[in-house]
Amino acid sequence: AQSVTQLGSHVSVSEGALVLLRCNYSSSVPPYLFWYVQYPNQGLQLLLKYTSAATLVKGINGFEAEFKKSETSFHLTKPSAHMSDAAEYFCAVSSFGNEKLTFGTGTRLTIIP
Amino acid sequence: DADVTQTPRNRITKTGKRIMLECSQTKGHDRMYWYRQDPGLGLRLIYYSFDVKDINKGEISDGYSVSRQAQAKFSLSLESAIPNQTALYFCATSDRTFREQYFGPGTRLTVT
Repeated sequence: AQSVTQLGSHVSVSEGALVLLRCNYSSSVPPYLFWYVQYPNQGLQLLLKYTSAATLVKGINGFEAEFKKSETSFHLTKPSAHMSDAAEYFCAVSSFGNEKLTFGTGTRLTIIP
Repeated sequence: DADVTQTPRNRITKTGKRIMLECSQTKGHDRMYWYRQDPGLGLRLIYYSFDVKDINKGEISDGYSVSRQAQAKFSLSLESAIPNQTALYFCATSDRTFREQYFGPGTRLTVT
């Protein structure tokens, strides 16, 4: 079985501050991990993915995430928040042999001017 | 043009009505999925299809059915809509390497 836990359903940061969105996963086999972003009234867009290559993954819009097997984590970071980053972010997991995505419950990111 | 399209984008219907949501893709992918999104619950898988002749139930298939009319088309039906099926519905596709899924813009369904 696989699962994802996103800590914090709402996160607020000031413009220019560090963004840190937390994701912990559970998987009995090596996972594939994803972060998706959903802007208001839009579908989900892939930010970045980990598929067993480099543990530090860089994505679009300046986001990155680090796969830490010992901590079963895949936290999303961005050094400096921008107003356009306000959205809902979803972490998801799948694995070889279980090719369905299991999503976390999402984190809504608010940027304070 | 969008790679994954969904129609309609918004729909209001009454309890007991039959409704169909449609999804089309131009990505040439074999695999297609239907999810529903509810506030605080994330996305949950309703049905998925790995090719035209392969249909599988997801975690919340009760009250729903699907049809894979062609590689590019995957429809979701609510045979008798009920208010707790009010949600945002997404279609998605992926290729056989399954490195990522591509999502449509969503259909907002309200059942009164």
